Amino acid sequence: QSMLTQPPSVSGTPGQTVTVSCSGGSSDIGRNTVSWYQQLPGMAPKLLFYNENRRSSGVPDRFSGSRSATSGSLVITGLQSEDEADYYCAAWDDSLNVWVFGGGTKLTVL
Amino acid sequence: QVQLQESGPGLVKPSDTLSLSCNVSGASIFSSAHYWAWIRQSPGKGLEWIGSIYFNGNTFQNPSLKSRLVMSIDTSKAQFTLRLTSVTAADTAVYYCARRAGSSAYFRFDSWGQGALVTVSS
Repeated sequence: QSMLTQPPSVSGTPGQTVTVSCSGGSSDIGRNTVSWYQQLPGMAPKLLFYNENRRSSGVPDRFSGSRSATSGSLVITGLQSEDEADYYCAAWDDSLNVWVFGGGTKLTVL
Repeated sequence: QVQLQESGPGLVKPSDTLSLSCNVSGASIFSSAHYWAWIRQSPGKGLEWIGSIYFNGNTFQNPSLKSRLVMSIDTSKAQFTLRLTSVTAADTAVYYCARRAGSSAYFRFDSWGQGALVTVSS
């Protein structure tokens, strides 16, 4: 089973903007929305947003996304210390009928 | 607001069967708009989709686990269940149940349980 490709880590200082990329293929991101999840230490993942710009309830608008043909991006503006977490992207692959996740990106706020 | 709660043994012996249940509250398990999913996370690793089940019993399963996987749903108890046979240490993980929402191309996991750690060890 294939996996979406994310950078293992990104970092930034408070107030900065960081971007997390997620690369897939024609049968996953190419056909279906990318969803993004935040996992705080010791917690279950939480949906941040999907369809590039549909934020889950309570998610601040500092979190946004974009998508091109077979990739997606998570953008966090005005970085805050509480944003330090692991971030995962995911998409349905309707050629294989499986869900594929990215390997996760650890965000460190310096 | 939907709530999901995993339950089951935290310790399973190698070659035995891992069994977990997920109780659904605050939303109907009969919903035609949702699938109910299992996702796991090995210690220090990323997320791995195990499988998803619909209220009528229709399933999608991870091909890498399919030969050992049994998924079921009990709508009378608002509960769905995972059984993974012939477990090894590689199956040690936190197991999450989740709700898959959306239609057509807009799928996402919009609600998650808190997770249940299952350790495979003798």
